[in-house]
Amino acid sequence: AQSVSQHNHHVILSEAASLELGCNYSYGGTVNLFWYVQYPGQHLQLLLKYFSGDPLVKGIKGFEAEFIKSKFSFNLRKPSVQWSDTAEYFCAVNAESGYSTLTFGKGTMLLVSP
Amino acid sequence: NAGVMQNPRHLVRRRGQEARLRCSPMKGHSHVYWYRQLPEEGLKFMVYLQKENIIDESGMPKERFSAEFPKEGPSILRIQQVVRGDSAAYFCASSQDRGTEELFFGSGTQLSVL
Repeated sequence: AQSVSQHNHHVILSEAASLELGCNYSYGGTVNLFWYVQYPGQHLQLLLKYFSGDPLVKGIKGFEAEFIKSKFSFNLRKPSVQWSDTAEYFCAVNAESGYSTLTFGKGTMLLVSP
Repeated sequence: NAGVMQNPRHLVRRRGQEARLRCSPMKGHSHVYWYRQLPEEGLKFMVYLQKENIIDESGMPKERFSAEFPKEGPSILRIQQVVRGDSAAYFCASSQDRGTEELFFGSGTQLSVL
């Protein structure tokens, strides 16, 4: 069974600070990786995804993530956060072969102070 | 471009009553997933359905919970004889293909059991 671990439950940053949210997964085979964001009172939206190819993936709103297979990691980064990035961020994984439902991490709540 | 539609947004029930949560997938999507979100626990998979079929219900509690996705109409998550512990946000997601693809989420139903 696959599992996802997000390192930080809460992160507080000032505007313009750099962001890195950790995500590690456990699964023996090939995986698809996702980062979703949930703004206050809204539904989950896809930030970015990795299926194959270049391990550095660029998403919306200036976010990027790097897949490091040897470390089973898929950390999310943004060079300079904005107040509007305040939200909860979820890392998710599913197995590439066969059908597989998304397994989510517990989420990281990011608070950006102006 | 209608996304995944869930209703109601908020549902209040007294202990022992039934709760019915509805989900209409995106147009052209035939795969529906239900997740439950509890504070600081992330999203937990409950059930995966295709039209008229339950594909994976490994995340569903054994009693009181059921789900369906009929040939016509929305998917329904039904909780009988609700208890306080059922209070949570319930999210529905849909995909065009089987679960290895991106999921599109609805805005969720917040169930409160008094």
